[in-house]
Amino acid sequence: EVVLTQSPGTLSLSPGERTTLSCRASESVSSNFLAWYQQKPGQAPRLLMYGAFSRATGIPDRFSGSGSGTDFTLTISRLEPEDFAVYYCQHYGNSQCTFGQGTKLEIK
Amino acid sequence: QVQLVESGGGLVKPGGSLSLSCTTSGFTFSDFYMSWIRQAPGKGLEWVSSISTSGATIYYADSVRGRFTISRDNTKNSLSLQMISLTAEDTAVYYCARRLSGTQFFEYWGQGTLVTVSS
Repeated sequence: EVVLTQSPGTLSLSPGERTTLSCRASESVSSNFLAWYQQKPGQAPRLLMYGAFSRATGIPDRFSGSGSGTDFTLTISRLEPEDFAVYYCQHYGNSQCTFGQGTKLEIK
Repeated sequence: QVQLVESGGGLVKPGGSLSLSCTTSGFTFSDFYMSWIRQAPGKGLEWVSSISTSGATIYYADSVRGRFTISRDNTKNSLSLQMISLTAEDTAVYYCARRLSGTQFFEYWGQGTLVTVSS
């Protein structure tokens, strides 16, 4: 099973700033099978990016994804107040699905 | 619009059993793989199980294999998860989720149902 390690655990930033969240896989994976989710307190997760680079329906273009092999990143170009949440990366492979432990993005 | 509504959560004693349901609407249920994903209180997401469109192909996480059974009824647009031999580690909010068409990612989620395993 692929283990996903996200860093940092918590990020304290201000609205308007740019940020990059990291997701490192325990082995090389195809970007086609990597996704990012956003979860706000008391809500279900929301799909942000899939196939590492494609935005899901309704996701603003300030969100972008990149990476290959074992290192993937989610970039938010200019933080809006509604972006402060927990972010998870997810991999699917060999009929198994794994999530990273999450990065909490909090307001500074 | 797409809707997924879980039900069946509650308090159960260790070693007990529980059955969860997910009622869906707003899409052609039989066209999509469905999954259960759980989240322990204050913790991250853990995939539990997935089932193919016909129900012929099923996958489980190692942590639940042999104890949980996923099933679907395409005539009723519903997904189920039967859970036995529950332990405290199974305490979580259980979400049902529908894949994004043509991918292995979860586009639509229910609001979740809480399962608490405690004596």
